[in-house]
Amino acid sequence: GESVGLHLPTLSVQEGDNSIINCAYSNSASDYFIWYKQESGKGPQFIIDIRSNMDKRQGQRVTVLLNKTVKHLSLQIAATQPGDSAVYFCAETRVTGGGNKLTFGTGTQLKVEL
Amino acid sequence: GAGVSQSPSNKVTEKGKDVELRCDPISGHTALYWYRQRLGQGLEFLIYFQGNSAPDKSGLPSDRFSAERTGESVSTLTIQRTQQEDSAVYLCASSLAWISGNTIYFGEGSWLTVV
Repeated sequence: GESVGLHLPTLSVQEGDNSIINCAYSNSASDYFIWYKQESGKGPQFIIDIRSNMDKRQGQRVTVLLNKTVKHLSLQIAATQPGDSAVYFCAETRVTGGGNKLTFGTGTQLKVEL
Repeated sequence: GAGVSQSPSNKVTEKGKDVELRCDPISGHTALYWYRQRLGQGLEFLIYFQGNSAPDKSGLPSDRFSAERTGESVSTLTIQRTQQEDSAVYLCASSLAWISGNTIYFGEGSWLTVV
């Protein structure tokens, strides 16, 4: 069935290094993707999104890359900080008939080591 | 308010009891969503409201689950005859419209524990 999954459940990085969190999706009809950050005990927080007609989008310290050929999405965090420690989820949706009903992946725990 | 507000933040209930969870969306947001998140897992879609359209209930796991929304304001998620497997965080979110591209904002969640 349709699914959105992540390659690694836990990612540990040194403070100041760049982080790369990966996500695979199986539904080729997906046309909109979002990355969320969830800190312990809190709701998911929007980080960045990308439409399927784009390959790359940059925000503040974050970049999302989309490879539709292999159905792969990644989130790059530059100069990772302790405050970046959280679980990161990718989510996908389809414009046609999907509204904003998002399908979420399991999540990747990012741990920033001092 | 400035964000999506949910209540109660924590609820412990006995198996078999009914619970009601409340969500106040961001003012002006016409779309409202409920998701469930079990410990250490991703978010499961439950139900989606958009304006006066019929809600998308395709994610409700059983007939013990129901939700209502009054106009474009408050929503209540009701779980009848709670079971231990219902223990989870129930997250509410809202957005400006159902058209893809609008950012969805989540509340802090209602933590439900069924004992």
